Amino acid sequence: QKEVEQDPGPLSVPEGAIVSLNCTYSNSAFQYFMWYRQYSRKGPELLMYTYSSGNKEDGRFTAQVDKSSKYISLFIRDSQPSDSATYLCAMSPSGTYKYIFGTGTRLKVLA
Amino acid sequence: DTAVSQTPKYLVTQMGNDKSIKCEQNLGHDTMYWYKQDSKKFLKIMFSYNNKELIINETVPNRFSPKSPDKAHLNLHINSLELGDSAVYFCASSQASGGNTQYFGPGTRLTVL
Repeated sequence: QKEVEQDPGPLSVPEGAIVSLNCTYSNSAFQYFMWYRQYSRKGPELLMYTYSSGNKEDGRFTAQVDKSSKYISLFIRDSQPSDSATYLCAMSPSGTYKYIFGTGTRLKVLA
Repeated sequence: DTAVSQTPKYLVTQMGNDKSIKCEQNLGHDTMYWYKQDSKKFLKIMFSYNNKELIINETVPNRFSPKSPDKAHLNLHINSLELGDSAVYFCASSQASGGNTQYFGPGTRLTVL
C-alpha cells in the first residue's frame, strides 16, 4: 500500500462547477498537508498548506484535513478553465525533510 | 526574479553518457531537494541537502550523485545514463524542515535514447 493514495483522474467538469479532490494516507505521523497545482510542462506550485486537522480557505480554494480518517480534500469553487492542471497532494511528518506526494489528479474544466 | 532555476531545461542524450543538471535558488533557503517525476506524474524525492549536508538519500542508484557547493546550489550528476532515467527532474528548496513550503524549479526534461 502506498503511503499516499490519490485518484489520477482525469476529472472533467463544466466551468463553474465545484470540484472536490481527495487524498488518503496511511502514516499517522503526517502533520503538514499541502496541495500543489502543476500545469503541463511546469513545476508544481503551492496552492494550500495546512497544519494538522481543520479547514483553510483562500479565495476559491478550501483545504480540509481529517486526521481521524486520514483523509484530505481540496475544494475549488466556481471552477475556471484556467484551473485545468494536475493537482498533487503532499504530506510531511513534523521535523523531517521528507515530503511524500500523491500521484496527482488531472483536472480539466470545460468552457 | 526567478526563485528556483534549473539548467538545462531539456536534455537529450545517449545511453551510457554522463550528464549534469544544475539548480540555484535565490530565496535564502537552507534546504534543497531533487525529485524525479515519471511519465505518470509521480513525484518522488531523491535527495535532500540542508546547509550543504546530505540529509535524505532515498533508494537511488549510486550512478546519481548530488553535490552542493553552497547553500544556494544543488547539482545532480548522473553517470552511465540508462533508458529508465528518462523523466523530469525537479529541484526544490525550503526553509528548514518538514512543514515548510517547498518552492519548485521549472524542471529538466531528460530523455535518454
